[in-house]
Amino acid sequence: GESVGLHLPTLSVQEGDNSIINCAYSNSASDYFIWYKQESGKGPQFIIDIRSNMDKRQGQRVTVLLNKTVKHLSLQIAATQPGDSAVYFCAENERRYSTLTFGKGTMLLVSP
Amino acid sequence: GAVVSQHPSWVICKSGTSVKIECRSLDFQATTMFWYRQFPKQSLMLMATSNEGSKATYEQGVEKDKFLINHASLTLSTLTVTSAHPEDSSFYICSARVPSGRGYEQYFGPGTRLTVT
Repeated sequence: GESVGLHLPTLSVQEGDNSIINCAYSNSASDYFIWYKQESGKGPQFIIDIRSNMDKRQGQRVTVLLNKTVKHLSLQIAATQPGDSAVYFCAENERRYSTLTFGKGTMLLVSP
Repeated sequence: GAVVSQHPSWVICKSGTSVKIECRSLDFQATTMFWYRQFPKQSLMLMATSNEGSKATYEQGVEKDKFLINHASLTLSTLTVTSAHPEDSSFYICSARVPSGRGYEQYFGPGTRLTVT
């Protein structure tokens, strides 16, 4: 199930389940979106990205969906594994500017 | 993918001292690097944008005299936390931007854990 902690919402799933992590972004002018995975004590690691001219993009075991109408981004992880346990951040960017804006993050806990 | 390193990976210092953190792009040149700060269970907050050969651009609320950034070469940016205090204890992460056929890509370093006692 999903719970909201003091700062970081947490999604707990069983190994083998599919996980869906959601993100609401704020800037309607954003045209580039990225999902990052951050393990404890490490820097963010690129997972998948999508441009605003697309609404879906698939990678290996991961799919990103973009709904520009409601400014919503989701990351789907198929057959979640314990190694997927981490904090996942979405990030948005408006191409005119050089900086990424990160979302609050979701902690994914995968139990065997 | 491109590799970004940081040194040190962790540092403990006494209040009032200064600490320098290095960020290097190992196999590519980066004209633009970014410095982020992350508190426990929180997201990454951009501190400043570092451009090679010019002054850094600081985000609102970040003291430029306290967080000195130097981007002296295309492969090295440094962040110096001057007169550090316990509230500066945080996880500092750098990233480097690389132009690509799809615009640009941004690669992150492994982070530096700063603890000020």
